[in-house]
Amino acid sequence: RKEVEQDPGPFNVPEGATVAFNCTYSNSASQSFFWYRQDCRKEPKLLMSVYSSGNEDGRFTAQLNRASQYISLLIRDSKLSDSATYLCVVNIYSGGGADGLTFGKGTHLIIQP
Amino acid sequence: GAVVSQHPSRVICKSGTSVKIECRSLDFQATTMFWYRQFPKQSLMLMATSNEGSKATYEQGVEKDKFLINHASLTLSTLTVTSAHPEDSSFYICSARSGNEQYFGPGTRLTVT
Repeated sequence: RKEVEQDPGPFNVPEGATVAFNCTYSNSASQSFFWYRQDCRKEPKLLMSVYSSGNEDGRFTAQLNRASQYISLLIRDSKLSDSATYLCVVNIYSGGGADGLTFGKGTHLIIQP
Repeated sequence: GAVVSQHPSRVICKSGTSVKIECRSLDFQATTMFWYRQFPKQSLMLMATSNEGSKATYEQGVEKDKFLINHASLTLSTLTVTSAHPEDSSFYICSARSGNEQYFGPGTRLTVT
């Protein structure tokens, strides 16, 4: 079973629409959660952290359900510039050490004019 | 803030040669850096955790004698791919930890012919 699973898409969405991505993770010890954005042939860039209470940053809303081990990202009023691959990322801390991130394969989003 | 650079951005080398990739945190100190690899249409996979002043910690399946990591200062980690083979061709990305977040370098695209 993969550690972080995402629907690879692609999601083809008209400009201005709302789109939602989901992600599940297998390790219940995961403690930090993030959404990263990766453009073609570029490095990932942090979009937002995901908190248990849910959090919003402009048009982006992230939610976490620890019981179901499920993370979501909602994008409202989508823009052409939102076209990218969205990576669901989790981090497991062990004894205060710095652990690398575990990435999903990403969900490819295409915003159409 | 939190800028990470990598050099070179792209390298083509012949099979059997070694390639060194540098990762620098430009405006912060990082006791821990991470090296990832991404094959086409795949997720980023953590290769190793680079610790300043001590040995790197390698993920299962990553050969430490093939992928040499040196983290000699708080702002520089290097990854040397020794005796490179075509199957080592990939996108190598480093990240540096700042607080609870990781910031990624722009990546190095390695092609081994």
